Amino acid sequence: GESVGLHLPTLSVQEGDNSIINCAYSNSASDYFIWYKQESGKGPQFIIDIRSNMDKRQGQRVTVLLNKTVKHLSLQIAATQPGDSAVYFCAEAGGGADGLTFGKGTHLIIQP
Amino acid sequence: DTAVSQTPKYLVTQMGNDKSIKCEQNLGHDTMYWYKQDSKKFLKIMFSYNNKELIINETVPNRFSPKSPDKAHLNLHINSLELGDSAVYFCASSQGAGGLYGYTFGSGTRLTVV
Repeated sequence: GESVGLHLPTLSVQEGDNSIINCAYSNSASDYFIWYKQESGKGPQFIIDIRSNMDKRQGQRVTVLLNKTVKHLSLQIAATQPGDSAVYFCAEAGGGADGLTFGKGTHLIIQP
Repeated sequence: DTAVSQTPKYLVTQMGNDKSIKCEQNLGHDTMYWYKQDSKKFLKIMFSYNNKELIINETVPNRFSPKSPDKAHLNLHINSLELGDSAVYFCASSQGAGGLYGYTFGSGTRLTVV
C-alpha cells in the first residue's frame, strides 16, 4: 500500500547548527504535506505545511522543501535550539477518505 | 481555551476492565479521529467520524467502540482491556475528511493496562 516514511529514526545535532529531517512518500496523488512536532508528553503540533503546487515554503526558522519528482519532503530547522528536541513527523494527504497518512517519526536530539 | 481536549490524561487499569476516554473539540470542525501511538511513536489511525458518522474504521478489535454524540465529541470505549492495549491514544479533529487542512491533536491519554 501507499506509505510515508522517514530516512533516519534519530538525528543528533549540535545546538546552533541547522537540522535537516527527511521524508519519502510514495503516493503521487498527495496534494498536501505537513510537518508535525511532538514533544515529550504532548500531542503532535503543526509546524509548517506545503501544497503540491509549491516546492518551498518558509516559516520562522523552519523551511519545508518538496521534490515531487522523487517524492521527497524535508524539514530544515535553522540554528537549532534545545527546545527543538522532539519527534518530528511528516504527513501527507490526497483528499481521500483516508485523510492524513503519517510517517514513522524522527527523534531530533540537540547536543549542547 | 484548549482546542482539542481529552480526558483523562493518564489511565491505569487492570486487565479485563472496561474504560472510556473522552474527547471534545471547540474548533467547529466536522471530522474527528482516534489514533493509537505505540512505544515506537508510530501513529496509527483507529477511527474517523465526519458529522457523527463513521468514515474510517481500521482493523481494530471490536472491543474498541467509538461514540460520537455530536460533531464536537468523539469518545472511545474499550471493553475487556488487554495488556497490548497499553499505549498513548490521541484524539484529533479537522475541517473536512480529506486531511487537506491538517489535523489538530489533543494532548493524549496514556493508557496502562496491568
